[in-house]
Amino acid sequence: DGGITQSPKYLFRKEGQNVTLSCEQNLNHDAMYWYRQDPGQGLRLIYYSQIVNDFQKGDIAEGYSVSREKKESFPLTVTSAQKNPTAFYLCASSTQDSPGGYGYTFGSGTRLTVV
Amino acid sequence: DAKTTQPPSMDCAEGRAANLPCNHSTISGNEYVYWYRQIHSQGPQYIIHGLKNNETNEMASLIITEDRKSSTLILPHATLRDTAVYYCIVPTGANSKLTFGKGITLSVRP
Repeated sequence: DGGITQSPKYLFRKEGQNVTLSCEQNLNHDAMYWYRQDPGQGLRLIYYSQIVNDFQKGDIAEGYSVSREKKESFPLTVTSAQKNPTAFYLCASSTQDSPGGYGYTFGSGTRLTVV
Repeated sequence: DAKTTQPPSMDCAEGRAANLPCNHSTISGNEYVYWYRQIHSQGPQYIIHGLKNNETNEMASLIITEDRKSSTLILPHATLRDTAVYYCIVPTGANSKLTFGKGITLSVRP
């Protein structure tokens, strides 16, 4: 079955360490996205990529980095520069082919806790 | 994205219809209305979208007013598993990124 896989589901890291969250999709979608969600809040866009080897900053990109070397993969690195990294991170992908072009498929998320 | 307004929460009884409202008074003629839902600690799930006409699928129905300034998502027979946060989104422009606000929390009671 096609879908998006995020790993790991839970991640614990010490303060000051960089950590990379994995996101893989086999839907042949061109666009991929990273969102952050804090308790009781909506989703905030960190980075997005509409094509391989290209990506753009979202609303809260500071302290994060991404790469898009393959269509299927869009890893997110949470760097030590991110002041409050503890959050629920969600990856999504989409195709532009459907009417409106905004049908997103989300992964199951990674809950990052920095101690 | 065009601004949408949703009440923060609502509840309904299991087996009854849940009608979730959304205002999008600044919507333009070619902008779609999308609905997603997020069950606790999971990724959001696409439900339905529409432009002008009412839409129905296996999950829900979407009723869009004639002036397109508001819409209602209808879950015809709500179950406990429908308890979730429901997001109404109107994406704007050629860029395909969606903006998720706080949504409306639907609580289905037994």
